[in-house]
Amino acid sequence: DIQMTQSPSTLSASVGDRVTITCRASQSVNIWLAWYQQKPGKAPKVLIYKTSSLESGVPLRFSGSGSGTEFTLTISSLQPDDFATYYCQQYNSGWTFGQGTKVEIK
Amino acid sequence: EVQLVQSGAEVKKPGESVKISCKGSGYSFISYWIGWVRQMPGKGLEWMGIIYPDDSDTRYSPSFQGQVTISADKSISTAYLQWSRLKASDTAMYYCARLPSPPNWGSHFDFWGQGTRVTVSS
Repeated sequence: DIQMTQSPSTLSASVGDRVTITCRASQSVNIWLAWYQQKPGKAPKVLIYKTSSLESGVPLRFSGSGSGTEFTLTISSLQPDDFATYYCQQYNSGWTFGQGTKVEIK
Repeated sequence: EVQLVQSGAEVKKPGESVKISCKGSGYSFISYWIGWVRQMPGKGLEWMGIIYPDDSDTRYSPSFQGQVTISADKSISTAYLQWSRLKASDTAMYYCARLPSPPNWGSHFDFWGQGTRVTVSS
């Protein structure tokens, strides 16, 4: 099984900050990596798929990069609506999620 | 508009059975795989299995094989997740989600249901 490890687990930031979340895979997942945002009591929402493709309707401040085993999600200027938990997901072999990164208000 | 609407919350006792549902609309339900994802209280997301509603081709995560049954009724655009004997450890939120591409081509989950909470307690 492919394991996904996110860092950090919790991130404290202010509105306007540039935020980066890292996701590492236990083996190569090529480009088959997605990022999801989940708010309390809500279903996850896809932000990025295939490493760097922005889902329709997702603000341009979200971007993804990486390949193989190391990936990043960047929020260029954190907005109030962005405080949430973020999950990476590999879909190269089955589907595995990272443990999540909670972005909270500093 | 693509929508996946899940059935309501369930409260069951250990050993009981339950079947939850996920009804798709706004797209060709038979043409897209549907997946099920578990989220235990305060925890992360775990893939359970996927099904292709047109022919009911089903694939399970090794972690859930034999523990649950995934099925679909294409005549009513609905996928199901069921347990024959619930355990307290099955207490969780369960989500269905659509795969926009065939799984062998590499597919994330694009549209999600609102979730069904299953609580198992004596």
